[in-house]
Amino acid sequence: AQSVTQPDIHITVSEGASLELRCNYSYGATPYLFWYVQSPGQGLQLLLKYFSGDTLVQGIKGFEAEFKRSQSSFNLRKPSVHWSDAAEYFCAVGPFTGGGNKLTFGTGTQLKVEL
Amino acid sequence: GAVVSQHPSWVICKSGTSVKIECRSLDFQATTMFWYRQFPKQSLMLMATSNEGSKATYEQGVEKDKFLINHASLTLSTLTVTSAHPEDSSFYICSARGYLLADDSYNEQFFGPGTRLTVL
Repeated sequence: AQSVTQPDIHITVSEGASLELRCNYSYGATPYLFWYVQSPGQGLQLLLKYFSGDTLVQGIKGFEAEFKRSQSSFNLRKPSVHWSDAAEYFCAVGPFTGGGNKLTFGTGTQLKVEL
Repeated sequence: GAVVSQHPSWVICKSGTSVKIECRSLDFQATTMFWYRQFPKQSLMLMATSNEGSKATYEQGVEKDKFLINHASLTLSTLTVTSAHPEDSSFYICSARGYLLADDSYNEQFFGPGTRLTVL
């Protein structure tokens, strides 16, 4: 069974500081990995995704993530956080095709940005 | 990019009434739509998967008679919460997957903005 672990429930960083949100996954095949961001009362916005190719993927809003197969990780990073980045971040894993297309989400990491 | 809308964005209803939530794919044909439920400060829980023209597949523990899903067209799926009770209050999010121009979007889900249901 596939699973996603986001070990950090809450993270607080100062504006301008760097950020890394951790994501570890368990998946039986080649995973299709996603990071989503959710602002309060809103739906999910895709930040970036990875299936193959360069293991460092660039996303929107200055975010990037690195896929490390040996560590089963897909950590999200941003070099300089802005106050508007405060939100809930979800990592998800699913099949590229087939498998009912189901995505499994992590429990989320709440990011707080201190001014 | 692909856009998914939900209507209404929020609804308040009395206990015992039924509520219908619509999910539409605005610029693509959604062969599959997913319905999620999200409790405060928690992750998304998949409720059911619906393919156009066929019955929805419900996740274990989700009452199919309670949460009626209809996917009558390639751009519209509806979730009806029947005889709603306060414990059904939640944030309901739909997502849609379809055939887009880019091959690597085949399995990507596009999420709606969510519907906040409050049952009094």
